[in-house]
Amino acid sequence: EPEVTQTPSHQVTQMGQEVILRCVPISNHLYFYWYRQILGQKVEFLVSFYNNEISEKSEIFDDQFSVERPDGSNFTLKIRSTKLEDSAMYFCASSEPGRGLYEKLFFGSGTQLSVL
Amino acid sequence: TQLLEQSPQFLSIQEGENLTVYCNSSSVFSSLQWYRQEPGEGPVLLVTVVTGGEVKKLKRLTFQFGDARKDSSLHITAAQTGDTGLYLCAGRSNFGNEKLTFGTGTRLTIIP
Repeated sequence: EPEVTQTPSHQVTQMGQEVILRCVPISNHLYFYWYRQILGQKVEFLVSFYNNEISEKSEIFDDQFSVERPDGSNFTLKIRSTKLEDSAMYFCASSEPGRGLYEKLFFGSGTQLSVL
Repeated sequence: TQLLEQSPQFLSIQEGENLTVYCNSSSVFSSLQWYRQEPGEGPVLLVTVVTGGEVKKLKRLTFQFGDARKDSSLHITAAQTGDTGLYLCAGRSNFGNEKLTFGTGTRLTIIP
């Protein structure tokens, strides 16, 4: 079965540094998402992306965050100046069009971000 | 803010027993999904329920959406060690392709 791939699997960075998390969604999918899961807490929505623009974002997704689909295959999440509280597992997800309420999100295996 | 509370938070039972996990909210959802997440992996979709009162079966797993579309349950019959994992419910308020609101999760351990 096709899968969403994320790199790196682990990223350690110093507070204040920029990080870019990378994702390759499933090739025929048109909707892309970033979610995160802080250790021991629930999965939280960050942002959704469709037709080369953000369609929805949460309160977590402030000016320090940005997303990009630079080349038609990759989907990236950038955090400009990381904070300790950004430490979490970040999941990329994608879905195909036309399924409405039965939309199925395919999640990647995640990038564990640790901010020191 | 929509919240989905799952209970119990942790559940350990013997192989072969039955169990039920609950997902409750004060908000109405247009659809509700159940995912299973294994350590080091992303959530994997098990089922989507859309209609109030809907029941769906997936082998030994039975999913029900409440009549008012505010709650859901997952019942596992004759649990197996392979059922061990984190079970997450997630809901959407309106149409597809909008954000999913995830529940707090139930960590299930099946003891051989």
